[in-house]
Amino acid sequence: DSGVTQTPKHLITATGQRVTLRCSPRSGDLSVYWYQQSLDQGLQFLIQYYNGEERAKGNILERFSAQQFPDLHSELNLSSLELGDSALYFCASSPNSGNTIYFGEGSWLTVV
Amino acid sequence: AQSVTQLDSQVPVFEEAPVELRCNYSSSVSVYLFWYVQYPNQGLQLLLKYLSGSTLVKGINGFEAEFNKSQTSFHLRKPSVHISDTAEYFCAVPQGGKLIFGQGTELSVKP
Repeated sequence: DSGVTQTPKHLITATGQRVTLRCSPRSGDLSVYWYQQSLDQGLQFLIQYYNGEERAKGNILERFSAQQFPDLHSELNLSSLELGDSALYFCASSPNSGNTIYFGEGSWLTVV
Repeated sequence: AQSVTQLDSQVPVFEEAPVELRCNYSSSVSVYLFWYVQYPNQGLQLLLKYLSGSTLVKGINGFEAEFNKSQTSFHLRKPSVHISDTAEYFCAVPQGGKLIFGQGTELSVKP
């Protein structure tokens, strides 16, 4: 158990809908990262927050957004969902904007 | 920009045989390198990391990796694999505070 908690574990939704994925980082970790894992793209970095502020942005679509709250938990919002958004979404955390990051179990999103 | 390349997408091996999963990195600065493992239907777990010091790094589950600066490699090895080692293995390098992952190597251990 990494200490990073993600909910929900599985989610099935229809195209055009909007979902929110939630992440609680390890106790004390200030940095939160979101990654998307799909068969064709592999592990893609989406976005990083550090202590509530956006720190780095990767291949995140405009339909996707994220935020980190004062209690350090984070949410990833995915809107206008398309079939191609079906993937495993990971949250990860680290004590700072450093190197070793710890992953949650992931949220499986299926868009039908 | 730093990057990693995993040279094998799939590695089938028999139980108790040795295995090497290859990773090459591209970097012009000081290098930190990581190996993560993803067991079926699970998240990624840190296997080992190289930050500095000894070039031979020992990790969990009997795995080790050697940092080779001249060959820009960080290959993962295990002298004798078990069925339970069947998983996907990712090499990673930090870039701007985040980790950039290779495409992964699927290790399949057969009885």
